[in-house]
Amino acid sequence: EVQLLDSGGGLVQPGESLRLSCGASGFDFSTYAMNWVRQAPGKGLEWVSLISGGGGTTDYADSVKGRFTISRDNSKNTLYLQIDNLRADDTAVYYCAKSDRYWFDSWGQGTLVTVSA
Amino acid sequence: SYVLTQPPSVSVAPGQTARITCGGDNIADYGVHWYQQKSGQAPVLVVYADSDRPSGIPERFSGSKSGSPATLTITRVEGGDEADYYCQVWDSSRDQGVFGGGTKLTVL
Repeated sequence: EVQLLDSGGGLVQPGESLRLSCGASGFDFSTYAMNWVRQAPGKGLEWVSLISGGGGTTDYADSVKGRFTISRDNSKNTLYLQIDNLRADDTAVYYCAKSDRYWFDSWGQGTLVTVSA
Repeated sequence: SYVLTQPPSVSVAPGQTARITCGGDNIADYGVHWYQQKSGQAPVLVVYADSDRPSGIPERFSGSKSGSPATLTITRVEGGDEADYYCQVWDSSRDQGVFGGGTKLTVL
């Protein structure tokens, strides 16, 4: 059974940094691209970033380019999202999601990031 | 950037059929995928590649895309189907995922 466990969220001040993690099990992690998707309170889903199975290809939403960095450690079956210079509009639940071609077939439970002074 | 348009809300009585639409320019060129998100939970994939269903998803959920818009159809609606539903495509020209704004399904 595929399991994804998101962690690392919390309350941070504007301008600070945060690293989110997603631990994966139940599938061959290095074979699949992985994503981060976020959801601001009361809002819809927003795709954030993708990284290929080997880690050599990354893509980002225009809204996060330059501040967010996606990475993975296939030896630890773990996906990461480094968020720098956090802003109030980054407040959201962040989900990791496993890709199967062009859709997201498994999701973590989400981790809440709150940016507030 | 590519935009997907969904109605904000759809209401249906139990046992009836709900149809949720998803429109976009030249949507025929994209594979459309659908997710169900119940209150306080993570999204769940219910339809992928326009009309395929993951294992474990009831046959009551089906997708179609003949022209525009793409449509998620839920037959014999139950109270447990009350949720937000999102369509999604992958924009290969920009290498970005795109979600529709979501549709809240209310079971009367």
